[in-house]
Amino acid sequence: NAGVTQTPKFRILKIGQSMTLQCTQDMNHNYMYWYRQDPGMGLKLIYYSVGAGITDKGEVPNGYNVSRSTTEDFPLRLELAAPSQTSVYFCASSYYEVAGVQETQYFGPGTRLLVL
Amino acid sequence: KQEVTQIPAALSVPEGENLVLNCSFTDSAIYNLQWFRQDPGKGLTSLLLIQSSQREQTSGRLNASLDKSSGRSTLYIAASQPGDSATYLCAVSPGAGSYQLTFGKGTKLSVIP
Repeated sequence: NAGVTQTPKFRILKIGQSMTLQCTQDMNHNYMYWYRQDPGMGLKLIYYSVGAGITDKGEVPNGYNVSRSTTEDFPLRLELAAPSQTSVYFCASSYYEVAGVQETQYFGPGTRLLVL
Repeated sequence: KQEVTQIPAALSVPEGENLVLNCSFTDSAIYNLQWFRQDPGKGLTSLLLIQSSQREQTSGRLNASLDKSSGRSTLYIAASQPGDSATYLCAVSPGAGSYQLTFGKGTKLSVIP
């Protein structure tokens, strides 16, 4: 299994440009997440999904959009990039079933984004 | 709002020492607590997950304890090695779905050979 993969690894954007960060997992996990990590800070949840077709906002959703058309893929869209979106973005996935044992989240290697 | 604090922010120890990393949280109504390791430029790797009903979890040289009533957790690393150098993050979950993980800022550990 490749686990959680993210592309690209690094990207420079100009203010106002748009881009999509790709995330794919091959573990058949139902839950997927997007986090951002600013220097010296913990991770903050942007969006999450509990299954295909279902997404919801996390703590810092402004300026981002997501979709979940398949179990495997969970892309994050940045519209009108701003310098405040300069960060490292992590995608994660986990498996959960009601009344089951909660499992840990598995993280991708991250995408470093610089907005100038 | 849940807040997670990790002290110290950075720690440097000589190889072979035993060490303790601390994590505190403000709301004791948690479902579980997890410790993660993050290497520079890499993603997070889960080390230990403690359910709220448990007191501790062990994996090799690592032992994590949880005192939910006092809002504290510790990660004990025995016989530290240079390969243990990384940033260690703790995170708490308020509910069974885990989508609301709240992270601390981490403790950066350096083990000196």
